[in-house]
Amino acid sequence: GENVEQHPSTLSVQEGDSAVIKCTYSDSASNYFPWYKQELGKRPQLIIDIRSNVGEKKDQRIAVTLNKTAKHFSLHITETQPEDSAVYFCAASIGTLTFGKGTMLLVSP
Amino acid sequence: GAVVSQHPSWVICKSGTSVKIECRSLDFQATTMFWYRQFPKQSLMLMATSNEGSKATYEQGVEKDKFLINHASLTLSTLTVTSAHPEDSSFYICSADYGLAGATDTQYFGPGTRLTVL
Repeated sequence: GENVEQHPSTLSVQEGDSAVIKCTYSDSASNYFPWYKQELGKRPQLIIDIRSNVGEKKDQRIAVTLNKTAKHFSLHITETQPEDSAVYFCAASIGTLTFGKGTMLLVSP
Repeated sequence: GAVVSQHPSWVICKSGTSVKIECRSLDFQATTMFWYRQFPKQSLMLMATSNEGSKATYEQGVEKDKFLINHASLTLSTLTVTSAHPEDSSFYICSADYGLAGATDTQYFGPGTRLTVL
């Protein structure tokens, strides 16, 4: 089955800095890669996603890049704000979602 | 749009009792819903895929007789934890597939149910 590795497990940045979270997947058949943000005790919220026919997608301060050859995708957050602090999960889908272990992002004022 | 509700948000029960959790897609129809389990500071682990009108598909290691899933309509799936034990205590989250029928697409999550078994 699919295996998703996510790094780093924790990431601390200063407000205004950029944050990058990286994921790799094992199954080349995966064709959908969403990113979710989860605050403590709350539901995961979809923040951005990308499909295998696209290499990059951007939505305001958030961008995702996909390298199908390397089976690697990344989340980029620019101009981070304290409210960006949360756990971020990447996932890969070949019919069902397989999640990475998550990255706890802490943005300090 | 794409709102998923879950009820109850939390439940405390005695060991040996059964607990039913409901997952509803409020403004769209979902042929497929998913049930996840999340332990503290861990990722979401898929338990089963719930398909409207057919039997659920369980992930390896998940006891189908213990975690009963019923997807009776395009907007409702239920998870019943039977004969619950303290080790079943966890955060249970459902999601609904917002994509095309028969093809998993974007999933929207419910708010989760925190189950505590005493």
